[in-house]
Amino acid sequence: GAGVSQSPSNKVTEKGKDVELRCDPISGHTALYWYRQSLGQGLEFLIYFQGNSAPDKSGLPSDRFSAERTGGSVSTLTIQRTQQEDSAVYLCASSLGNPGNTIYFGEGSWLTVV
Amino acid sequence: QKEVEQDPGPLSVPEGAIVSLNCTYSNSAFQYFMWYRQYSRKGPELLMYTYSSGNKEDGRFTAQVDKSSKYISLFIRDSQPSDSATYLCAMGKSNFGNEKLTFGTGTRLTIIP
Repeated sequence: GAGVSQSPSNKVTEKGKDVELRCDPISGHTALYWYRQSLGQGLEFLIYFQGNSAPDKSGLPSDRFSAERTGGSVSTLTIQRTQQEDSAVYLCASSLGNPGNTIYFGEGSWLTVV
Repeated sequence: QKEVEQDPGPLSVPEGAIVSLNCTYSNSAFQYFMWYRQYSRKGPELLMYTYSSGNKEDGRFTAQVDKSSKYISLFIRDSQPSDSATYLCAMGKSNFGNEKLTFGTGTRLTIIP
């Protein structure tokens, strides 16, 4: 597709279950970001991948959160033992990875933990 | 204190009015300043970006940055109902496009026909 694709678009899960969220960046984009958007909050940075460099994981809120990027393209964000406070929109974004390049966002995965 | 502060609104104005949206920030390392527009249940889309202080105009939109006051603004002229959305300011320190951005909470704007 032409844009950043995320799946699932909506996910309802029970507290304590693990969830996986997937992101397909725009073809050719080397930089990939995960952000979280909670009600009434701005976008909160989670993790950043750039090419083959070690990811910047400084925004991950706890060790229940992890992400990987396989083959420099698709990324999966995993949340283990979900808690109700994990309910949020998880947004993926990508860019060409050079200064001045636009960062394009997907439509997000809406996660509800019940 | 958050690095970036933005009034969450909501803000309602009549069609045709001039809209002013603002953010303040505390970290003087920010050099790139962006405005994103986010429609309901959609991802944010880049509207404007500026580097350092100054003004930038694009059609009905004008972005202003005052680094001395650590204050940025987005003006929308001749506002239209299609401008109804949440507007997020975002800031980067050096390599916009190659680094994490810091976002404001967003201002929800409604243009009343």
